[in-house]
Amino acid sequence: DVKVTQSSRYLVKRTGEKVFLECVQDMDHENMFWYRQDPGLGLRLIYFSYDVKMKEKGDIPEGYSVSREKKERFSLILESASTNQTSMYLCASSRDTNTEAFFGQGTRLTVV
Amino acid sequence: AQSVTQPDIHITVSEGASLELRCNYSYGATPYLFWYVQSPGQGLQLLLKYFSGDTLVQGIKGFEAEFKRSQSSFNLRKPSVHWSDAAEYFCASISNFGNEKLTFGTGTRLTIIP
Repeated sequence: DVKVTQSSRYLVKRTGEKVFLECVQDMDHENMFWYRQDPGLGLRLIYFSYDVKMKEKGDIPEGYSVSREKKERFSLILESASTNQTSMYLCASSRDTNTEAFFGQGTRLTVV
Repeated sequence: AQSVTQPDIHITVSEGASLELRCNYSYGATPYLFWYVQSPGQGLQLLLKYFSGDTLVQGIKGFEAEFKRSQSSFNLRKPSVHWSDAAEYFCASISNFGNEKLTFGTGTRLTIIP
């Protein structure tokens, strides 16, 4: 069974902290994605990666960076957390560009 | 750029009633289309997908969707809803031509009343 695992379900961080959200997939998928989900806005793509050490900006990359050192792991980094980054963060992976994505359970991040 | 529109933010139906959730896409060619469901506090689960072929697609949990090219629509249907269907539903599309990213609609929240 396919599995995308996000390291935390809930996180509370202080403004200005550096925050790491981790995501691991066990399906040997090439592609991995980070979305944020906000009420009324749906899912918005932050960053995605088509290969190890490769990254591309999505629709809302400002204030975020990513790291993909190994195929199975894709990390989202908030360089200096701000209150407007309070949100649900969803990681996903897909076998190739034009197939369905599989999602993790999400991390609800609160920045205070 | 492609976009996906879900015109209904919130829908309420009675248990046992039929359901139709609307989805429209904007893309010149036929995209790949998906419906996902999200239960409260959970990630997204794929309900069904359309790539090509038969325009009526069957999915899990008794859901189906019909692709209509003339209307640029991919509406999700279920003949009789159950209380456990209460969730948020997302339509998504992706180009079949290359490295286009998966684009989501804003979602429709479904409430079931007894």
